[in-house]
Amino acid sequence: EVQLVQSGAEVKKPGESLKISCKGSGYSFTSYWIGWVRQMPGKGLDWMGIIYPGDSDTRYSPSFQGQVTISADKSISTAYLQWSSLKASDTAMYYCARIRGSTGYYEYWGQGTLVTVSS
Amino acid sequence: QSALTQPRSVSGSPGQSVTISCTGTSSDVGGYDYVSWYQQHPGKVPKVMIYDVSKRPSGVPDRFSGSKSGNTASLTISGLQAEDEADYYCCSYAGSYSWVFGGGTKLTVL
Repeated sequence: EVQLVQSGAEVKKPGESLKISCKGSGYSFTSYWIGWVRQMPGKGLDWMGIIYPGDSDTRYSPSFQGQVTISADKSISTAYLQWSSLKASDTAMYYCARIRGSTGYYEYWGQGTLVTVSS
Repeated sequence: QSALTQPRSVSGSPGQSVTISCTGTSSDVGGYDYVSWYQQHPGKVPKVMIYDVSKRPSGVPDRFSGSKSGNTASLTISGLQAEDEADYYCCSYAGSYSWVFGGGTKLTVL
Protein backbone atom coordinates (compact mmCIF):
# COMPACT_ATOMS: atom_id res chain seq x y z
CA GLU A 1 0.00 0.00 0.00
CA VAL A 2 1.40 3.38 -1.04
CA GLN A 3 1.64 5.77 1.88
CA LEU A 4 3.03 9.25 2.40
CA VAL A 5 3.35 10.10 6.07
CA GLN A 6 4.13 13.69 6.97
CA SER A 7 5.65 15.08 10.13
CA GLY A 8 3.47 16.61 12.80
CA ALA A 9 2.09 20.10 13.27
CA GLU A 10 4.53 22.89 14.05
CA VAL A 11 4.18 26.19 15.88
CA LYS A 12 7.01 28.62 15.20
CA LYS A 13 7.89 32.27 15.63
CA PRO A 14 8.64 34.64 12.76
CA GLY A 15 12.27 34.41 11.72
CA GLU A 16 12.71 30.83 12.88
CA SER A 17 13.72 28.00 10.57
CA LEU A 18 11.75 24.85 9.91
CA LYS A 19 12.04 21.59 8.00
CA ILE A 20 9.02 19.33 7.56
CA SER A 21 9.12 15.84 6.15
CA CYS A 22 7.19 13.39 3.99
CA LYS A 23 8.12 9.71 4.22
CA GLY A 24 7.09 7.41 1.40
CA SER A 25 6.48 3.69 1.68
CA GLY A 26 4.94 0.89 -0.31
CA TYR A 27 6.61 1.84 -3.59
CA SER A 28 9.97 2.66 -5.16
CA PHE A 29 10.58 6.10 -3.64
CA THR A 30 13.26 6.99 -6.17
CA SER A 31 11.02 6.38 -9.19
CA TYR A 32 8.29 8.97 -8.69
CA TRP A 33 8.24 12.76 -8.46
CA ILE A 34 7.00 14.17 -5.15
CA GLY A 35 5.26 17.53 -5.10
CA TRP A 36 4.50 20.03 -2.34
CA VAL A 37 1.24 21.95 -2.17
CA ARG A 38 0.30 24.80 0.15
CA GLN A 39 -3.18 25.54 1.43
CA MET A 40 -3.52 28.73 3.42
CA PRO A 41 -6.39 28.91 5.92
CA GLY A 42 -9.71 28.96 4.08
CA LYS A 43 -7.96 29.22 0.71
CA GLY A 44 -7.20 27.07 -2.31
CA LEU A 45 -4.32 24.86 -3.33
CA ASP A 46 -1.02 26.42 -4.42
CA TRP A 47 1.59 24.42 -6.32
CA MET A 48 4.99 24.96 -4.71
CA GLY A 49 7.42 22.63 -6.45
CA ILE A 50 8.53 19.07 -7.03
CA ILE A 51 11.50 16.81 -6.54
CA TYR A 52 12.60 13.57 -8.15
CA PRO A 53 14.22 11.63 -5.31
CA GLY A 54 16.17 9.44 -7.72
CA ASP A 55 18.53 12.27 -8.63
CA SER A 56 17.19 15.18 -6.53
CA ASP A 57 16.15 17.12 -9.65
CA THR A 58 14.03 19.94 -8.20
CA ARG A 59 11.69 22.47 -9.78
CA TYR A 60 9.97 25.40 -8.09
CA SER A 61 6.98 27.58 -8.77
CA PRO A 62 8.18 31.14 -9.44
CA SER A 63 6.05 32.17 -6.46
CA PHE A 64 8.06 29.96 -4.12
CA GLN A 65 11.53 30.05 -5.70
CA GLY A 66 13.94 31.40 -3.12
CA GLN A 67 11.33 31.22 -0.36
CA VAL A 68 11.56 27.50 0.40
CA THR A 69 13.92 24.61 -0.26
CA ILE A 70 12.77 21.19 -1.36
CA SER A 71 15.09 18.25 -0.80
CA ALA A 72 15.04 14.48 -0.41
CA ASP A 73 17.03 11.74 1.27
CA LYS A 74 16.48 8.62 -0.79
CA SER A 75 18.25 6.44 1.76
CA ILE A 76 15.32 6.93 4.12
CA SER A 77 12.61 7.54 1.47
CA THR A 78 11.89 11.02 2.77
CA ALA A 79 11.25 14.34 1.08
CA TYR A 80 11.57 17.66 2.86
CA LEU A 81 10.29 21.21 2.67
CA GLN A 82 12.22 23.81 4.57
CA TRP A 83 12.26 27.49 5.43
CA SER A 84 15.24 29.48 6.66
CA SER A 85 13.22 32.38 8.04
CA LEU A 86 9.50 31.91 8.54
CA LYS A 87 6.93 34.66 8.12
CA ALA A 88 3.41 34.87 9.49
CA SER A 89 2.20 34.48 5.92
CA ASP A 90 3.73 30.98 5.82
CA THR A 91 0.94 29.82 8.14
CA ALA A 92 -0.78 27.08 6.17
CA MET A 93 -1.36 23.39 5.69
CA TYR A 94 1.34 21.81 3.56
CA TYR A 95 0.74 18.61 1.64
CA CYS A 96 3.17 16.33 -0.14
CA ALA A 97 1.86 14.18 -2.97
CA ARG A 98 3.23 11.54 -5.31
CA ILE A 99 2.94 12.39 -8.97
CA ARG A 100 1.93 9.76 -11.47
CA GLY A 101 4.30 10.04 -14.41
CA SER A 102 6.34 13.09 -15.27
CA THR A 103 3.41 15.20 -16.43
CA GLY A 104 0.72 13.51 -14.49
CA TYR A 105 -1.56 13.95 -11.60
CA TYR A 106 -1.23 13.98 -7.84
CA GLU A 107 -2.15 10.39 -7.11
CA TYR A 108 -1.33 9.84 -3.44
CA TRP A 109 -1.32 12.56 -0.79
CA GLY A 110 0.19 12.86 2.64
CA GLN A 111 -2.07 13.76 5.54
CA GLY A 112 -0.76 17.31 5.62
CA THR A 113 1.41 19.26 8.04
CA LEU A 114 -0.06 22.35 9.67
CA VAL A 115 2.51 25.09 10.12
CA THR A 116 1.54 28.01 12.35
CA VAL A 117 3.82 31.04 12.50
CA SER A 118 2.94 33.50 15.21
CA SER A 119 4.76 35.79 17.59
CA GLN B 1 1.97 31.47 -13.82
CA SER B 2 -1.52 32.61 -12.77
CA ALA B 3 -4.05 30.38 -11.10
CA LEU B 4 -6.62 28.78 -13.37
CA THR B 5 -10.03 30.45 -13.20
CA GLN B 6 -12.92 28.55 -11.62
CA PRO B 7 -16.33 29.80 -10.46
CA ARG B 8 -16.30 30.46 -6.73
CA SER B 9 -19.41 28.37 -6.20
CA VAL B 10 -21.97 26.17 -7.93
CA SER B 11 -25.03 24.41 -6.62
CA GLY B 12 -27.53 21.79 -7.61
CA SER B 13 -30.27 19.61 -6.20
CA PRO B 14 -29.88 15.89 -5.62
CA GLY B 15 -30.16 13.99 -8.86
CA GLN B 16 -29.30 16.99 -11.00
CA SER B 17 -26.09 17.60 -12.96
CA VAL B 18 -23.62 20.40 -12.42
CA THR B 19 -20.60 21.49 -14.43
CA ILE B 20 -17.57 23.29 -13.07
CA SER B 21 -15.38 25.15 -15.54
CA CYS B 22 -11.65 25.74 -15.35
CA THR B 23 -10.17 28.35 -17.68
CA GLY B 24 -6.49 28.70 -18.34
CA THR B 25 -4.31 29.63 -21.28
CA SER B 26 -2.61 27.98 -24.20
CA SER B 27 0.42 27.53 -21.92
CA ASP B 28 -1.41 25.23 -19.56
CA VAL B 29 -4.95 23.89 -20.08
CA GLY B 30 -4.95 24.52 -23.81
CA GLY B 31 -1.46 23.24 -24.37
CA TYR B 32 -1.60 19.83 -22.69
CA ASP B 33 -4.09 17.05 -22.12
CA TYR B 34 -2.97 16.83 -18.49
CA VAL B 35 -5.82 18.37 -16.56
CA SER B 36 -6.82 16.76 -13.29
CA TRP B 37 -9.61 17.46 -10.81
CA TYR B 38 -9.51 17.09 -7.03
CA GLN B 39 -12.29 16.85 -4.49
CA GLN B 40 -11.66 18.13 -0.98
CA HIS B 41 -14.11 17.76 1.86
CA PRO B 42 -13.67 20.14 4.82
CA GLY B 43 -10.65 19.20 6.88
CA LYS B 44 -9.73 16.37 4.54
CA VAL B 45 -6.96 15.62 2.09
CA PRO B 46 -7.61 16.31 -1.62
CA LYS B 47 -8.59 13.29 -3.67
CA VAL B 48 -8.12 12.94 -7.42
CA MET B 49 -11.39 12.46 -9.29
CA ILE B 50 -10.32 12.95 -12.92
CA TYR B 51 -6.91 12.90 -14.60
CA ASP B 52 -5.65 13.41 -18.14
CA VAL B 53 -8.77 15.54 -18.84
CA SER B 54 -11.30 12.72 -18.80
CA LYS B 55 -9.95 9.57 -17.15
CA ARG B 56 -11.32 8.31 -13.85
CA PRO B 57 -9.13 6.55 -11.28
CA SER B 58 -10.35 3.23 -10.03
CA GLY B 59 -13.06 3.68 -7.42
CA VAL B 60 -14.33 7.05 -8.61
CA PRO B 61 -18.02 6.84 -9.59
CA ASP B 62 -18.80 7.23 -13.27
CA ARG B 63 -21.07 10.13 -12.30
CA PHE B 64 -17.89 12.19 -12.51
CA SER B 65 -16.67 13.08 -15.99
CA GLY B 66 -14.23 15.53 -17.50
CA SER B 67 -13.74 17.26 -20.81
CA LYS B 68 -11.78 20.06 -22.42
CA SER B 69 -12.31 22.54 -25.20
CA GLY B 70 -9.56 24.97 -26.05
CA ASN B 71 -8.30 26.66 -22.91
CA THR B 72 -11.26 25.54 -20.77
CA ALA B 73 -11.64 22.24 -18.98
CA SER B 74 -14.84 21.10 -17.32
CA LEU B 75 -15.87 18.69 -14.60
CA THR B 76 -19.42 17.40 -14.75
CA ILE B 77 -21.08 15.62 -11.87
CA SER B 78 -24.32 13.91 -12.80
CA GLY B 79 -26.88 12.43 -10.43
CA LEU B 80 -25.74 14.73 -7.63
CA GLN B 81 -25.58 13.20 -4.18
CA ALA B 82 -25.26 14.85 -0.80
CA GLU B 83 -21.76 13.40 -0.39
CA ASP B 84 -20.60 15.31 -3.48
CA GLU B 85 -20.79 18.57 -1.53
CA ALA B 86 -17.14 19.65 -1.32
CA ASP B 87 -14.54 21.96 -2.81
CA TYR B 88 -13.27 21.06 -6.27
CA TYR B 89 -9.95 22.11 -7.75
CA CYS B 90 -8.68 21.76 -11.27
CA CYS B 91 -4.99 21.40 -11.97
CA SER B 92 -3.08 21.59 -15.22
CA TYR B 93 0.43 20.72 -16.28
CA ALA B 94 2.05 23.92 -17.49
CA GLY B 95 5.24 22.65 -19.07
CA SER B 96 8.82 22.38 -17.81
CA TYR B 97 7.77 20.22 -14.86
CA SER B 98 5.41 22.80 -13.45
CA TRP B 99 1.73 22.70 -12.54
CA VAL B 100 -0.93 25.26 -11.73
CA PHE B 101 -4.11 24.84 -9.69
CA GLY B 102 -7.43 26.57 -10.07
CA GLY B 103 -8.80 28.77 -7.32
CA GLY B 104 -11.35 26.17 -6.30
CA THR B 105 -15.13 25.85 -6.54
CA LYS B 106 -17.46 25.19 -3.62
CA LEU B 107 -20.21 22.77 -4.63
CA THR B 108 -23.37 22.98 -2.59
CA VAL B 109 -25.99 20.24 -2.85
CA LEU B 110 -29.29 21.92 -2.08
